[in-house]
Amino acid sequence: GQQVMQIPQYQHVQEGEDFTTYCNSSTTLSNIQWYKQRPGGHPVFLIQLVKSGEVKKQKRLTFQFGEAKKNSSLHITATQTTDVGTYFCAGYSGNTGKLIFGQGTTLQVKP
Amino acid sequence: NAGVTQTPKFQVLKTGQSMTLQCAQDMNHEYMSWYRQDPGMGLRLIHYSVGAGITDQGEVPNGYNVSRSTTEDFPLRLLSAAPSQTSVYFCASSPPGGGSGYTFGSGTRLTVV
Repeated sequence: GQQVMQIPQYQHVQEGEDFTTYCNSSTTLSNIQWYKQRPGGHPVFLIQLVKSGEVKKQKRLTFQFGEAKKNSSLHITATQTTDVGTYFCAGYSGNTGKLIFGQGTTLQVKP
Repeated sequence: NAGVTQTPKFQVLKTGQSMTLQCAQDMNHEYMSWYRQDPGMGLRLIHYSVGAGITDQGEVPNGYNVSRSTTEDFPLRLLSAAPSQTSVYFCASSPPGGGSGYTFGSGTRLTVV
């Protein structure tokens, strides 16, 4: 079945450094979504990418969807302590309503 | 709007007991899903539904049942609780196509002893 892999599992950075997490799917995705979960909280939707090669920005966050629609990345420029949390990618394969999550990348930011 | 409401927030069960985790949404979303979250495992899909009367299995459905008799409610039933079902359970809902993403409930922390 569909699998979504995410690396790295953990990342510790100094405040002000950049951060990137990568997501790879075993199947071609119709779209990919990104979520953020703060410690002790629930996942919160950040963005959805649909088109091959799509790039979207939200302030210091840049999201990319690969040309083959099987991989994606999230890049944070100049991290801040408010960026702490776990970032998940999640992919839809077809129009089934079945959203599969990656394992997540937990980001720690040292002030 | 309350969004997605999950009850209870915490539950301790004995092995072999059954229970139902409740989930209700007031956004008229057609898609609803149940996930479990375990350390290092991310969010794993248990069951999902694309509308009232329609449910399907996710990645880890064994030991769980669901039904969707209304658009608003999507309860998750544990048939005979096992320690391996100790986890945090999240219910989530979304409009069709998922363009605005899933809205998650605040979760139920379940411990099976």
